[in-house]
Amino acid sequence: KAGVTQTPRYLIKTRGQQVTLSCSPISGHRSVSWYQQTPGQGLQFLFEYFSETQRNKGNFPGRFSGRQFSNSRSEMNVSTLELGDSALYLCASSLLAGQGGTDTQYFGPGTRLTVL
Amino acid sequence: QKEVEQNSGPLSVPEGAIASLNCTYSDRVSQSFFWYRQYSGKSPELIMSIYSNGDKEDGRFTAQLNKASQYVSLLIRDSQPSDSATYLCAAQRSNNDMRFGAGTRLTVKP
Repeated sequence: KAGVTQTPRYLIKTRGQQVTLSCSPISGHRSVSWYQQTPGQGLQFLFEYFSETQRNKGNFPGRFSGRQFSNSRSEMNVSTLELGDSALYLCASSLLAGQGGTDTQYFGPGTRLTVL
Repeated sequence: QKEVEQNSGPLSVPEGAIASLNCTYSDRVSQSFFWYRQYSGKSPELIMSIYSNGDKEDGRFTAQLNKASQYVSLLIRDSQPSDSATYLCAAQRSNNDMRFGAGTRLTVKP
């Protein structure tokens, strides 16, 4: 099976712009989680989607949003970019055969966002 | 208090030694626990998952869970230079809500 894919792999934006990142989960996986990783803050949870619904949300401002499509692919959007948004954005997919529960998350390669 | 705490290290061990990585978590509703390894510039990759109290072994890796003490550990036996990486501990609640520790940087010296 192909792994989690993320596009683009690298992005350079300027302050005030917006950006959209894409994540395709492992085939058959229904849950997609997004994380921001920076050297200072580590890996921080942004949000999680299951069956096109956001089930969990981390402590990030409303400039960060996401969505999930019927084929489980997910996008996240960051509006009005700030310098502090420079980070590695990772998505992870999991199978979650049931409605809830816990499941192993598998990470994609990440998108490296640089805000100038 | 952070939800998942790890010693940031760096932890340095000689090749062939046992590396011991520790993690504590504050949320008693966490049900599942994971160890990921992350090489510099790469994304995290899963090493072990553990759900029940006790030990779980997989090759050179042993995960230990003590829910009463809210403590998770990872032992790496016969450490190799290729094990040099940052190790992330994660605690997962229901509904796939997962929180990560800051990671422990491990260096295995030849």
